Amino acid sequence: GQNIDQPTEMTATEGAIVQINCTYQTSGFNGLFWYQQHAGEAPTFLSYNVLDGLEEKGRFSSFLSRSKGYSYLLLKELQMKDSASYLCAVVDSNYQLIWGAGTKLIIKP
Amino acid sequence: DTEVTQTPKHLVMGMTNKKSLKCEQHMGHRAMYWYKQKAKKPPELMFVYSYEKLSINESVPSRFSPECPNSSLLNLHLHALQPEDSALYLCASSQSPIRGIQETQYFGPGTRLLVL
Repeated sequence: GQNIDQPTEMTATEGAIVQINCTYQTSGFNGLFWYQQHAGEAPTFLSYNVLDGLEEKGRFSSFLSRSKGYSYLLLKELQMKDSASYLCAVVDSNYQLIWGAGTKLIIKP
Repeated sequence: DTEVTQTPKHLVMGMTNKKSLKCEQHMGHRAMYWYKQKAKKPPELMFVYSYEKLSINESVPSRFSPECPNSSLLNLHLHALQPEDSALYLCASSQSPIRGIQETQYFGPGTRLLVL
């Protein structure tokens, strides 16, 4: 079967750093997306990793290890507006997106 | 322009009603998607259109009927829905549905549907 695991909820402090992990077991792998979704709104694209390593984009970075079936999203200098759900989604061998359940991130002042 | 628009934003309908959800994009994308999302759950894929042709139907009940009139428009026709169909319905598009390439999907704001 296909499985993507993310923590259900995390809490962090404004100005700090937080790492959201995602582990996956899928039939094939053709890349991994991270999306941000504020409550009641649509998901917005954050990053796409298909090769091992770290991709940095401003305050957000995403890391991938294909051999370990593992990715993380790193958020630096947290702001209150970063409170949202973060969805990990893996592209399987049929180029279908398999979604994780999402991690709700709560930022406290 | 990286915008996908959806109308209406909110919809309340009875179980005997017929309504339609609309989605539009002007990015030249040739793949369009309908998702259903329940609270605190990830999006569930319903339908995929590639070059205006239905390519994926994820065993969705026939009370949901998609339509792709042209490359920019995607409709979802609703008829005889059940209360459990209440959810956020998301439309997305991506650039080129070419085998071997996974393009980023861009989502519209969604239609929040309540079935009474």
